[in-house]
Amino acid sequence: GENVEQHPSTLSVQEGDSAVIKCTYSDSASNYFPWYKQELGKRPQLIIDIRSNVGEKKDQRIAVTLNKTAKHFSLHITETQPEDSAVYFCAASSNPTDKLIFGTGTRLQVFP
Amino acid sequence: SAVISQKPSRDICQRGTSLTIQCQVDSQVTMMFWYRQQPGQSLTLIATANQGSEATYESGFVIDKFPISRPNLTFSTLTVSNMSPEDSSIYLCSVAGGRGGYNEQFFGPGTRLTVL
Repeated sequence: GENVEQHPSTLSVQEGDSAVIKCTYSDSASNYFPWYKQELGKRPQLIIDIRSNVGEKKDQRIAVTLNKTAKHFSLHITETQPEDSAVYFCAASSNPTDKLIFGTGTRLQVFP
Repeated sequence: SAVISQKPSRDICQRGTSLTIQCQVDSQVTMMFWYRQQPGQSLTLIATANQGSEATYESGFVIDKFPISRPNLTFSTLTVSNMSPEDSSIYLCSVAGGRGGYNEQFFGPGTRLTVL
């Protein structure tokens, strides 16, 4: 079955700096790669996703890149703000409505 | 986005007892899933709740321990049976697909379970 690895487990940055979180997956049948943000005590919320026919996707300060050949994808947050502090999870699936296999999570702390 | 509610929001239970968690969504959805999130950990899929048929369980999870019902396209229950302290976790349902055209997965608020 699918296995998703995520690095780093913790990441501390200064406000205004960039943050990068990386994930690798094992199943070549995976075609959908979402990123979720989970604030303390709250449910995971989708922040961006990418499908296998696209190499990069941007939404304001957030971008995701996908290298299907190497089976890895990354989340990039630019101009970080304290409210970006949360745990971020990557996931992989065959399609947006199928089960998700999650990475281990990255705790991002943005210091003012 | 889908509006999802879970009941109860939290509970403290004695070992050996069972707890049934309800998940209700405001529109018909194709897919409903149940995940477990142990303290400080990632989300692990327990099973896919299938409407009108038995749930599909992931490796390491069995029906006797986690029976699941899905009587219609807006509702599902997960029972945690014969609980032990190791079952202390947050249990989340998620939904996708259906008439709302939900082309992503939305998560419920979760049920925080503590087993003493």
